Amino acid sequence: AQTVTQSQPEMSVQEAETVTLSCTYDTSESDYYLFWYKQPPSRQMILVIRQEAYKQQNATENRFSVNFQKAAKSFSLKISDSQLGDAAMYFCAYRSTGNQFYFGTGTSLTVIP
Amino acid sequence: GAGVSQSPSNKVTEKGKDVELRCDPISGHTALYWYRQSLGQGLEFLIYFQGNSAPDKSGLPSDRFSAERTGGSVSTLTIQRTQQEDSAVYLCASSLFAHAGAGSPLHFGNGTRLTVT
Repeated sequence: AQTVTQSQPEMSVQEAETVTLSCTYDTSESDYYLFWYKQPPSRQMILVIRQEAYKQQNATENRFSVNFQKAAKSFSLKISDSQLGDAAMYFCAYRSTGNQFYFGTGTSLTVIP
Repeated sequence: GAGVSQSPSNKVTEKGKDVELRCDPISGHTALYWYRQSLGQGLEFLIYFQGNSAPDKSGLPSDRFSAERTGGSVSTLTIQRTQQEDSAVYLCASSLFAHAGAGSPLHFGNGTRLTVT
């Protein structure tokens, strides 16, 4: 079974600075999708960014970008120009070819004004 | 259109009672998932429905938990004889899988916070 590991339970960043959240995964599949979700205190899970494994180009969405290293099975999220509204729990997720989703345990991000 | 809708938003029940949690997915989404999230924890997979296929029930923690999806749309998660350890947020998510490998993301509801006293 696939596993997703987020080794940073908590992270903090100064407002306007950049922070990188780590995620690694274990799989024997060659084709899959990776996602980052944000969960603010409202508990609504919000999709931040998606990466297709067969694409070498790293996905970007405004201030959010990923560093996808397929060989290393690493999928980190970089948040640039951090804002107070970025404070939340961030989950890394893996979607298998069997349409099953596997989530990491999350990283709690604090943004310091 | 509307997003994934879950009801109730909060539910307090006494130990031993049965509860039903409802999920109304995004119209046209063929896949529906239930997850459980305990306080400060990650997401625990419970069950997955895809179209008319038999559901994947491999994540249900005990036979007190069951779920159904009627008409390929609304789903109900039922917990019988609730226990205090069932207290958690129950999240429902739906997705559009046009074909295998489409990479469609999950769209989540706001969850139901269940408290068993």
